[in-house]
Amino acid sequence: DVKVTQSSRYLVKRTGEKVFLECVQDMDHENMFWYRQDPGLGLRLIYFSYDVKMKEKGDIPEGYSVSREKKERFSLILESASTNQTSMYLCASSSPGTSGRNEQFFGPGTRLTVL
Amino acid sequence: DAKTTQPTSMDCAEGRAANLPCNHSTISGNEYVYWYRQIHSQGPQYIIHGLKNNETNEMASLIITEDRKSSTLILPHATLRDTAVYYCIVPRNQAGTALIFGKGTTLSVSS
Repeated sequence: DVKVTQSSRYLVKRTGEKVFLECVQDMDHENMFWYRQDPGLGLRLIYFSYDVKMKEKGDIPEGYSVSREKKERFSLILESASTNQTSMYLCASSSPGTSGRNEQFFGPGTRLTVL
Repeated sequence: DAKTTQPTSMDCAEGRAANLPCNHSTISGNEYVYWYRQIHSQGPQYIIHGLKNNETNEMASLIITEDRKSSTLILPHATLRDTAVYYCIVPRNQAGTALIFGKGTTLSVSS
């Protein structure tokens, strides 16, 4: 079974803390993604990565950074957490397939609360 | 900005076909249309994708209009477990790897 795992299912942090969200995939996928999901706003892309040490900004990168030192791991970093970063964070991975099939596989999500 | 338009919500009776429409009038000639769904408290799940031709798999059928400006996802015999948010998506980038998830359609299947 293909698998994307995220380090925590629930996380509570304080304003100003540095927060690391970890994502690991075991499918040898080239592409990895970080989204956040908020009620009424749907899923929004924060950052994505095509390869090790490569990263691209998504639609809402402000306040976040990422790290991809190994192919299987993609980390999302909140340098100084703020209350408006309270959200559900979803990680996904994909690999270019045939006939345009860039199917993304999602992890279970991390619900982050910043107090 | 999202490149697709979907109704906010739809209802369907169990056992009937659910037809979910999507407008993607600005889609480029080589861009695929993807459909995902998200069941409550889970990550999104891929359903199907297509370019020009109609597609069918074990989960659903995808009908794309000839001008490619709209498509319809068909769940032929909806069950209660098909209650979910359904996303019609076109890629954000030319490589087709980054997807824009809009707000989707909330499908409610009732008995």
